Amino acid sequence: EAGVAQSPRYKIIEKRQSVAFWCNPISGHATLYWYQQILGQGPKLLIQFQNNGVVDDSQLPKDRFSAERLKGVDSTLKIQPAKLEDSAVYLCASTLTTSGSNEQFFGPGTRLTVL
Amino acid sequence: GDSVTQMEGPVTLSEEAFLTINCTYTATGYPSLFWYVQYPGEGLQLLLKATKADDKGSNKGFEATYRKETTSFHLEKGSVQVSDSAVYFCALGGNNFNKFYFGSGTKLNVKP
Repeated sequence: EAGVAQSPRYKIIEKRQSVAFWCNPISGHATLYWYQQILGQGPKLLIQFQNNGVVDDSQLPKDRFSAERLKGVDSTLKIQPAKLEDSAVYLCASTLTTSGSNEQFFGPGTRLTVL
Repeated sequence: GDSVTQMEGPVTLSEEAFLTINCTYTATGYPSLFWYVQYPGEGLQLLLKATKADDKGSNKGFEATYRKETTSFHLEKGSVQVSDSAVYFCALGGNNFNKFYFGSGTKLNVKP
């Protein structure tokens, strides 16, 4: 079974530029999560999708961050414009459903450096 | 709200030493508890989980018991190896549309 795929693995941009990350969850997984992991900290949830609907985006900085999952499969996360404090690893995860105690499967992450 | 607190690191041990990483939680309802491991440059991988009180999760010599009376899920291993060097995250999930809450992580360094 293929795992969660993310691209790119690394990205370096200057502040005020825009950037987009892509995630392809495990086939058949209805729930998709985007996390921000700052160095030395645990993952912080940015947004959670159930199919193509948003379940929770309460911690997404909506003035600069946006995310979509148009067909309930792949997802993109965009930052526009980027700030220095956005430097972090962006992790995508998926689970089969939102019910029960399904474990989350994580992708390798995208390491973003904002200069 | 739900939350997880785990001991700060780094933890440095010699090979074959005993490991304990403490984790306590606050939660409503009946969450599941997880330990994830993150090796350098990689994403998080599930190490073990427990879905109800008194359950013991185990994998690769690691184990943790879901203690509702002490709201804890401490990670233990009897004899660590250099290859266990990684960052370990305690997490809870299953409530609230399977929203997960992660601790801040504990870095483990195992020296030969």
